[in-house]
Amino acid sequence: EIVLTQSPGTLSLSPGERATLSCRASQSLSSTFLAWYQQKPGQAPGLLIYGVSSRATGIPDRFSGSGSGTDFTLTISRLEPEDFAVYYCQQYGSSPRTFGQGTKLEIK
Amino acid sequence: EVQLVETGGGLIQPGGSLRLSCAASGFTVSTNYMTWVRQTPGKGLEWVSVIYSGDLTYYADSVKGRFTISRDNSKNTLYLQMNSLRAEDTAVYYCARVTAQGYFDYWGQGTLVTVSS
Repeated sequence: EIVLTQSPGTLSLSPGERATLSCRASQSLSSTFLAWYQQKPGQAPGLLIYGVSSRATGIPDRFSGSGSGTDFTLTISRLEPEDFAVYYCQQYGSSPRTFGQGTKLEIK
Repeated sequence: EVQLVETGGGLIQPGGSLRLSCAASGFTVSTNYMTWVRQTPGKGLEWVSVIYSGDLTYYADSVKGRFTISRDNSKNTLYLQMNSLRAEDTAVYYCARVTAQGYFDYWGQGTLVTVSS
């Protein structure tokens, strides 16, 4: 099983700042099978990024994904108030599909 | 518009059974891959089961032999039959649609299952 480790656990930033979230895999991912999801309190996770760097439908371009092998990054270029949430990475190239433990992005 | 609505959660005693339903609209369950994912405060998001074309199914080791995923094409609904429930099965259960590439593009709002005496 591929273990995904996200860092930091909590990130405290202000609106307008840049956020960088990390996801590290315990082994190299096959191809580009990594996704990012956003979850707000009381809601289900929602797809943000798939294929490492492709934005899902309707996702603003301030969200970007990058990385390869075992190290992946989600970057939010300029934080908006609605971006404060929990973010999860997921690998879907190997069974079982696994998720990181999440990074909570909170308002400073 | 794609929508997934889970029902069937509740409080159940250890050893009991429960069936979760996930009613889909805006697409056809029978021609898509579908999955169940659960979430607990302690373990985060955990993939539970998936159903592929031809009703090929896979399960997490933690639920294998106890849970069964299925679908009713006439009702456009996905199910998760959960037997021999344990305290550690307590979680919010989400159904989601799986794309051909394998990521989960639409999720339901979740249903809470609590296993406790």
